[in-house]
Amino acid sequence: DAKTTQPTSMDCAEGRAANLPCNHSTISGNEYVYWYRQIHSQGPQYIIHGLKNNETNEMASLIITEDRKSSTLILPHATLRDTAVYYCIVSEGGSEKLVFGKGTKLTVNP
Amino acid sequence: DAGVTQSPTHLIKTRGQQVTLRCSPKSGHDTVSWYQQALGQGPQFIFQYYEEEERQRGNFPDRFSGHQFPNYSSELNVNALLLGDSALYLCASSLEQGRRSPLHFGNGTRLTVT
Repeated sequence: DAKTTQPTSMDCAEGRAANLPCNHSTISGNEYVYWYRQIHSQGPQYIIHGLKNNETNEMASLIITEDRKSSTLILPHATLRDTAVYYCIVSEGGSEKLVFGKGTKLTVNP
Repeated sequence: DAGVTQSPTHLIKTRGQQVTLRCSPKSGHDTVSWYQQALGQGPQFIFQYYEEEERQRGNFPDRFSGHQFPNYSSELNVNALLLGDSALYLCASSLEQGRRSPLHFGNGTRLTVT
């Protein structure tokens, strides 16, 4: 079973920030938080990962709470192309077996 | 730089038949993982290959088998197909040396069993 809990769906207006929450209350000390997204009819795409510090790359920012029991993925300026299912996963190693939940279906509206 | 490529993109088989799906990893990657994604669900891990050996396996029956070749490409074989095997089959590659390096996924093979 997935070790994360995410809302089933979210909506966001184009151009606004999309904030996707994830709960992982049973995360262990050596587990990272990974985010992937899957656009319809494509394979999952890696977005970002982190251990305990906040992370930022060209796609998104990842905010992890101090107790590491939850995190938020931020897409700073959502576009229609960001409409996808977003998966939050905890794993000791990114290339090890990943356990996907059902993710959050993000719809960006014009 | 070619990413992960999978073939075929779509396939229709009859119950009881056997199928082989193929995957070429991203250039420079040496580890290949296979996932099954049923409609409306997240991907489920089938197994992972490294150095031509199965290293990890998920909760799938022995009807699911695989192989990795010296050039790191991989095949997924499914015998005695069931209707429930209809799904999107995803291949992902990564670097063993970077165990925390992310997976790179192909766009999958859509298998329909009738």
